[in-house]
Amino acid sequence: GENVEQHPSTLSVQEGDSAVIKCTYSDSASNYFPWYKQELGKRPQLIIDIRSNVGEKKDQRIAVTLNKTAKHFSLHITETQPEDSAVYFCAASRTAGQKLVFGTGTRLLVSP
Amino acid sequence: GAVVSQHPSRVICKSGTSVKIECRSLDFQATTMFWYRQFPKQSLMLMATSNEGSKATYEQGVEKDKFLINHASLTLSTLTVTSAHPEDSSFYICSARDPLTTAYNEQFFGPGTRLTVL
Repeated sequence: GENVEQHPSTLSVQEGDSAVIKCTYSDSASNYFPWYKQELGKRPQLIIDIRSNVGEKKDQRIAVTLNKTAKHFSLHITETQPEDSAVYFCAASRTAGQKLVFGTGTRLLVSP
Repeated sequence: GAVVSQHPSRVICKSGTSVKIECRSLDFQATTMFWYRQFPKQSLMLMATSNEGSKATYEQGVEKDKFLINHASLTLSTLTVTSAHPEDSSFYICSARDPLTTAYNEQFFGPGTRLTVL
């Protein structure tokens, strides 16, 4: 089955810096890659997602890149703000309706 | 947008009792719902896939007789933790996909249920 690895487990940056979180997956049939932000005790919130027919997607300060050949994808947050502090999870799944397999999570701390 | 609710948000029970958690899709019909468990400072682990009108599909290592799942309607799935023990204490989260409005596989998550077994 699918296995998703995520690095780093913790990431501390200064406000205004960029943050990059990387994930690798094992199932070459996976074609949907979402990123979630989860605050303590809350539900995961989708922040951006990408499909396998696209190499990059951007939404304001957040971007995701996908390399299907290497089976890895990354989350890029620019101009980080303290409110970006949370745990971020990557995930992967196959075609419609299939289960999500989550990465192990990255705790991002943005210091003022 | 699609909204998923869960009830209760928190529950504390004694060891050996059973607890039922409800997951509802409020403004869409979900033929498939997913149940996850999240231990403190860990990732979400899929427990089972709940299919309306049929048996749930459990992930390897998840006891189907302990975690009973019923998906009796297109808007409601329930997870019953039977004979709960302290090691079942966790954050249980459901999700659902709206097949009519999402072109992708986006899943909408419920707010989660914090279960504490004494």
